[in-house]
Formats: sequence, C-alpha cells, structure tokens
Amino acid sequence: AQTVTQSQPEMSVQEAETVTLSCTYDTSESDYYLFWYKQPPSRQMILVIRQEAYKQQNATENRFSVNFQKAAKSFSLKISDSQLGDAAMYFCAYKETGANNLFFGTGTRLTVIP
Amino acid sequence: ETGVTQSPTHLIKTRGQQVTLRCSSQSGHNTVSWYQQALGQGPQFIFQYYREEENGRGNFPPRFSGLQFPNYSSELNVNALELDDSALYLCASSPHVGESYGYTFGSGTRLTVV
Repeated sequence: AQTVTQSQPEMSVQEAETVTLSCTYDTSESDYYLFWYKQPPSRQMILVIRQEAYKQQNATENRFSVNFQKAAKSFSLKISDSQLGDAAMYFCAYKETGANNLFFGTGTRLTVIP
Repeated sequence: ETGVTQSPTHLIKTRGQQVTLRCSSQSGHNTVSWYQQALGQGPQFIFQYYREEENGRGNFPPRFSGLQFPNYSSELNVNALELDDSALYLCASSPHVGESYGYTFGSGTRLTVV
C-alpha cells in the first residue's frame, strides 16, 4: 500500500525567511502525482502545489517550490519569504494516475514568527 | 463560482445514533469524495461518488454509506456511531473522475460522538 511520511510534526520560521518541509512516500508505481495541501484554522484544504512524477522539472508557484527526487521518493516543499498567512498545517499527498483517492501524510504544523 | 460547501459545520451525536452529513460540490464538478480526518492525522479516503454511484472505497466498514444526487451534491451517512467516529469529515469535488489536478475541498463537518 502507498504510504506518505512527514517526519516533522512541527516547524517554525521567522517571517521573511525560508523553510523546507519534508515528505517521503512509498510506491511501486512509476506514474503518479504529488501534492502539497495547506490547512489553515478554517479547516479547508487548499492546494499549494502539484508535481507530476514523469516531469523532472520541479514545480514552482510563486513563493512555493518543490524538490522532487523520484529515485529517493522524496518530495519537499520550500516556502520562501515566509509570511504570517503561511502559518497552517501542511499535508503532503500522493495519487496514482487514474486513481480516485489521495493518500495523505500526517502533516507538519508550520508556525511563522513575526 | 461557488466552492464546496458542507453542512452542518459541527455536530454532536450519541454513540449508537445515525448521522447524515451533506456536501454541495463546486459548480461544474461531477465527482465527490469523502475523507475522514481524525485529530492530529491526515485525511483518510472513505469513498468517491461519480454519476450517482460509488466509485471506489477506502478501508471503512459498510455502516459508512453515501449518496450522490443528480445535481452532484452528496451525503455521507454513518450508522451505529462509535466513539472513534469522532473526526473532521471533509468533502472534496473534482471536475472529472480520476482527476489529477487536485481536488477542491470544503471546510468540513466536525463530528463529536459522546
């Protein structure tokens, strides 16, 4: 079964600094998708960034970028110029191509210090 | 364009009772998935509905059941509630089955079983 591991239950970062959240996953598939979701206190899961496994180029979305290492099954999220609004739970998620469900990690709580 | 809306936002039930949670999918989305998020955990897939039929199910017992209506809205029903059913229940919609561009989540229903 696919598993997603986030080994950092909590992280903190100074405002305007950079922080990296870690995620590893286990799969025997070669074609899949990886996601980072943000869950603020409002509880809604918000898609931050998405990576297609067949693409070697790392995805970027403004201040958010990933380091995707397919052979190592690693998918870290880098947040640059951290803002107070970035404070939230961050979940890494995996989805096989054509499958109907996401597998989530246990999350990392990010605190942004003013 | 409205997002995913869920009702109620909070609910308290007694062990052994039955509960119905409701979800209205985002406009244009025909697929609805339900996830259970226990405290301190990542969401776990319960099931998905497409064209008013169940389209995949996670490791949840039959007392978890659902419906999808012609307008693509959905219900999650849980019978014979147990204390461990206490969780945040998230609904997610997508424009296509097997969608790989991420899902749009609602803000969830917090269910407490006492």
